[in-house]
Amino acid sequence: GAGVSQSPSNKVTEKGKDVELRCDPISGHTALYWYRQSLGQGLEFLIYFQGNSAPDKSGLPSDRFSAERTGGSVSTLTIQRTQQEDSAVYLCASSLGGEGDRTYGEAFFGQGTRLTVV
Amino acid sequence: AQTVTQSQPEMSVQEAETVTLSCTYDTSENNYYLFWYKQPPSRQMILVIRQEAYKQQNATENRFSVNFQKAAKSFSLKISDSQLGDTAMYFCAFMRNTGNQFYFGTGTSLTVIP
Repeated sequence: GAGVSQSPSNKVTEKGKDVELRCDPISGHTALYWYRQSLGQGLEFLIYFQGNSAPDKSGLPSDRFSAERTGGSVSTLTIQRTQQEDSAVYLCASSLGGEGDRTYGEAFFGQGTRLTVV
Repeated sequence: AQTVTQSQPEMSVQEAETVTLSCTYDTSENNYYLFWYKQPPSRQMILVIRQEAYKQQNATENRFSVNFQKAAKSFSLKISDSQLGDTAMYFCAFMRNTGNQFYFGTGTSLTVIP
């Protein structure tokens, strides 16, 4: 596709259930980011993938959160045993990731998944 | 740790006027990148403008320009000839040259008044 695609757009789940959020980055983009945006807040970094390197998981808030990126393309963010405080918009972004490239650092964002835990 | 501060939660401007959004940051790095992203109600973040810290010249993109003061660690965004479509949340962001994550401010909600 032409842009970063995230699915689902909206997800309502019951407390304690597991959820999976999907991100399809732009083809050829080696860097992929997950961010969380709570109501009225800025963007909170969750995890970063760059090519075949080990991901930077330093932003994951607890061990209930995990993410993987298969084949250097599609990424899935999984939240186990969801809690009400997990309610937020989860944003995915991708970029070319090559330092020195003219567009280095330009991240293309998806429209996010709004997660509501009831 | 890197921090980004946007001290103006909300701002408004008359259509066709000029507005400046403030951003300060804290870092011990010498080489880094700064960005302004726009988030309209559709939720999709869009890059507005980008500045490399090693460049002294301020970046410009059509009606958007920045005032980058490296010593003061300040990176403000000026929007000239404001248009209704400029109504959005604006986020200032910092990225180290290793590129492993963006650090975002809390955003400024800009409303352009017809």
